[in-house]
Amino acid sequence: QVRLVESGGGVVQPGRSLRLSCAASGFTFSDYGIHWVRQAPGKGLEWVAIISSDGNHKYSADSVKGRFTFSRDNSKNTLYLQLNSLRAEDTAVYYCAKSLAGWYLGNWGQGTLVTVSS
Amino acid sequence: QSALTQPRSVSGSPGQSVTISCTGTSNDVGAYNYVSWYQQHPGKAPKFMIYDVTKRPSGVPDRFSGSKSGNTASLTISGLQVEDEADYFCCSYTGNDTVMFGGGTKLTVL
Repeated sequence: QVRLVESGGGVVQPGRSLRLSCAASGFTFSDYGIHWVRQAPGKGLEWVAIISSDGNHKYSADSVKGRFTFSRDNSKNTLYLQLNSLRAEDTAVYYCAKSLAGWYLGNWGQGTLVTVSS
Repeated sequence: QSALTQPRSVSGSPGQSVTISCTGTSNDVGAYNYVSWYQQHPGKAPKFMIYDVTKRPSGVPDRFSGSKSGNTASLTISGLQVEDEADYFCCSYTGNDTVMFGGGTKLTVL
């Protein structure tokens, strides 16, 4: 069955960086785009970005442009989210989700918590 | 960009029907039929419930249905069950290769 497992979250100081990973299994990873979505504690969902199946196309929300970068390694069935210049407002659970028909988020991971605090 | 507008909470009794609205603009909900809905129980990851405004992925009960009129999409849950109590989020393609979620609605089954 489809499985997505995020990792790499933790506590980080403002201005520092962190890299999250999303390991996929149960489907042909290289055939699917993958979304990143975040959810601040007690808040709603915020779409962060999508990376295409081949990694050549990346689209992101204005709130993270220029600070977050996205990549994937199809040989390892893994997606990466590099978080730079972190701010307190980036504190959230970060989910990866398998894209369906481009703009739908079909299967989700369990999420990894990033806490930005001094 | 502001989130799509959803009521903060709705409630209903078991067996009843409830409808959750999701209001956007002519640039997102009104412009595209790429509206989806997600259910999230506390402490869990969201679950994909509706896509293309009205379609249900395999495994989603037919008690869940979607619709759209103008700039407003809606999710209707009929025959409410206790396990339907959760947060519900709408999502729409907004053009420019991005999507946007609604603020979320907490459904309470009384």
